[in-house]
Amino acid sequence: GDSVTQMEGPVTLSEEAFLTINCTYTATGYPSLFWYVQYPGEGLQLLLKATKADDKGSNKGFEATYRKETTSFHLEKGSVQVSDSAVYFCALFSGGYNKLIFGAGTRLAVHP
Amino acid sequence: GAVVSQHPSRVICKSGTSVKIECRSLDFQATTMFWYRQFPKQSLMLMATSNEGSKATYEQGVEKDKFLINHASLTLSTLTVTSAHPEDSSFYICSARYQQGDEQFFGPGTRLTVL
Repeated sequence: GDSVTQMEGPVTLSEEAFLTINCTYTATGYPSLFWYVQYPGEGLQLLLKATKADDKGSNKGFEATYRKETTSFHLEKGSVQVSDSAVYFCALFSGGYNKLIFGAGTRLAVHP
Repeated sequence: GAVVSQHPSRVICKSGTSVKIECRSLDFQATTMFWYRQFPKQSLMLMATSNEGSKATYEQGVEKDKFLINHASLTLSTLTVTSAHPEDSSFYICSARYQQGDEQFFGPGTRLTVL
């Protein structure tokens, strides 16, 4: 079935460091891909999305490119801030199952 | 984006009691709402999908008599945890979408603690 695999955390970085969180997927067809962010004690917020191959989603300095050839959607940010500390979830929308399928989440901790 | 609210944000109850959690779409009509459960430091597990005016569709392994879902209007869905036990303690999150293919908007979650 459709699935999402993302790198295990926690990821610990210093402020202004470069961030990459890897995400790969398995799906039939061409799913839409998403990154969600969850701050402590809160629900999920959509961070960015891409709906077709080679699309680049971007928001708040974060970027991710839909790579069909490598079935990947890695999240990147050039310079992280302490306020970026959160859990990040990669997800795909499975048309076959008609639902969002989430990765396990990656916790990011950014220190001053 | 659209706003989804949940109430209450936190609830503590005694074992054996029932707890109702509300999920509301505040500025759009949600034909479909989803209920998720999240264990500490883990991902979201879809429990059920509810379409307005019809019975909810439960994921495999989720007890429908334990987790009662009602989607009586286009802006409100409720999840009732019946005869709650400590193992039901968790973070429950709902999401809503206007129609199939649209983005889902998530509520802020409800933390349930069963003593």
